[in-house]
Parts: sequence; C-alpha cells; structure tokens
Amino acid sequence: DGGITQSPKYLFRKEGQNVTLSCEQNLNHDAMYWYRQDPGQGLRLIYYSQIVNDFQKGDIAEGYSVSREKKESFPLTVTSAQKNPTAFYLCASIGASGDNEQFFGPGTRLTVL
Amino acid sequence: AQSVTQLGSHVSVSEGALVLLRCNYSSSVPPYLFWYVQYPNQGLQLLLKYTTGATLVKGINGFEAEFKKSETSFHLTKPSAHMSDAAEYFCAVSDRDYQLIWGAGTKLIIKP
Repeated sequence: DGGITQSPKYLFRKEGQNVTLSCEQNLNHDAMYWYRQDPGQGLRLIYYSQIVNDFQKGDIAEGYSVSREKKESFPLTVTSAQKNPTAFYLCASIGASGDNEQFFGPGTRLTVL
Repeated sequence: AQSVTQLGSHVSVSEGALVLLRCNYSSSVPPYLFWYVQYPNQGLQLLLKYTTGATLVKGINGFEAEFKKSETSFHLTKPSAHMSDAAEYFCAVSDRDYQLIWGAGTKLIIKP
C-alpha cells in the first residue's frame, strides 16, 4: 500500500541533544512538508521541499534543519537550538492532482526531558 | 495574505444531533478548500475537498460541506452525530502553489 511512514511514533530525548525524525513516502510525490502541532495551535509549517535537493523555510524554521537527498525521504532534525521542541510532528506530501491535497503520515510525538 | 477562521475551538453536540462546524476564509481568487479530521495521536485524514464544479461536496463518514462564495464560507455538516465522530477537524484553503493555509481546528465532542 502506498503511503507516508514516520518513525518512531514516540521519541524521548534529553535536553540539548539533536534528534532526527524520519519521513518516508512511496507515493512518488514531489512536494513534502513538515508541520509542528501544539495543543490549540493547529498546524504550523516548519520546512517544505518541492523537489529533490531543494527546500524552503516555513513559518517556524528556527532550531530545525532538513535534507532532501531522495524523492522518497525528507528527514527533520530538531536541534538543541529549538527552545521548546516537545510537540507532535507531522509529515505530509502533495501529489500531482493539482489541487494541493496533502497526504499525512501518522506523526511522531517528541518529548524532551 | 490568505487566512482561515474556524469558529469555536470546541463544539459539543448530542449523539444523533446535527453537526455544524464553521469555516470562513479570505481569498481574492476562487480557492481550493479542504476539511481534514484528526483522531488523537494520529495524522490528518481528508474528509472532503472543493476544487471546482458542484458547490455541495460529499465526503467520507456522512459529512458534507457547501462552498458559498458570497459568504466566503465552507461549513462542514453531518445530519446525525455518532460517538465515533469525536475528533479534531481542520479547515484549509489552498494558497499559492504547494501551500495550504490552516485553520486552528475545532474539537468535536459528542455527548451520549
């Protein structure tokens, strides 16, 4: 089945450590996104990539980094510079339908202790 | 800049009652509009979308929404609420290429 996988589902890290969240898709989608979700704040865009080897900052990119070396993969690194990293992180992609419908992964809940 | 407003962070209805979740958007051009549902600790799932054509859009799980250009609205409805409808619902509008602008979400609570 085609879809987006995110791993792990739950992640715990100590303060000051960098951590990388995985996002893989087998939908052959070009564009991929990372969102952060906090209670009552909806979805906030961290980074997005429209094509391999290219990505742009979203609204809250500070303290995060990404890479897009393969079409299928768009990992997100939460660095120690991110002041409040505990949140639910969602990865999404857009297909070729032309209407910008986004397909989502199951999410990773990151807790920094 | 485009924006999406969802009226009410929480909406509570009795099981079997009408569900109405409100969404208003600002857009200078005909938009693409979406409703997504999110269950706790899960990703978002598309309920329905409006792109072109018929303004009344039917989605999954018995939900539907009507695009009203004059009111810049895309409210989500379901005639009879079920306990399994308890979730958070997000409205979104397509902005420039490859971007969605998101509402803050509405948590739907179903009372037995």
